Amino acid sequence: DQQVKQNSPSLSVQEGRISILNCDYTNSMFDYFLWYKKYPAEGPTFLISISSIKDKNEDGRFTVFLNKSAKHLSLHIVPSQPGDSAVYFCAASNTNAGKSTFGDGTTLTVKP
Amino acid sequence: EAGVAQSPRYKIIEKRQSVAFWCNPISGHATLYWYQQILGQGPKLLIQFQNNGVVDDSQLPKDRFSAERLKGVDSTLKIQPAKLEDSAVYLCASTRGASGTYNEQFFGPGTRLTVL
Repeated sequence: DQQVKQNSPSLSVQEGRISILNCDYTNSMFDYFLWYKKYPAEGPTFLISISSIKDKNEDGRFTVFLNKSAKHLSLHIVPSQPGDSAVYFCAASNTNAGKSTFGDGTTLTVKP
Repeated sequence: EAGVAQSPRYKIIEKRQSVAFWCNPISGHATLYWYQQILGQGPKLLIQFQNNGVVDDSQLPKDRFSAERLKGVDSTLKIQPAKLEDSAVYLCASTRGASGTYNEQFFGPGTRLTVL
């Protein structure tokens, strides 16, 4: 029973265009959501997060949207750059438990 | 500030052998996590420590895996005996605060284990 799902294993976009990565979750107890980026041979690095009391959080080119009723979140990258090419993991957590459950990742390729 | 350190970076062993991984979290980070990441999947939590106490080890295969964080700083994860299905990247992560707070995790580079 996978509680966090990233249904698109891969995504390819042109440089300068928008990248939209999606994530669905099933556990209504999750109240905090994070996106991590991972380059080959490195550990994941934190990108952006959102609390369940918000529906949007923005940081530069990165925006995360949360739709609690649909149990869905998305990461928008605008404009996309070749350096954004990486695997993106969605993670969901319950604050009281203090641990995160990860999706299986989406590999983003940004073509010059 | 120095990041999370892990060693070794790569390890190849035969099935039924033993192996140990080491992690040194960011200085002052109270919470330490060990994850197993199988190729094509996301990190799966094995064990979570807060200082030197275990918070969650519900996903740790205790018949073959063990972990400790004796002085509340660095940690070791051991597999004895290893199976073919243990081939994966083992990631260590740490967070500043205690469990139950909003903290992003800082990950080390991982140890890639291959069991032949």
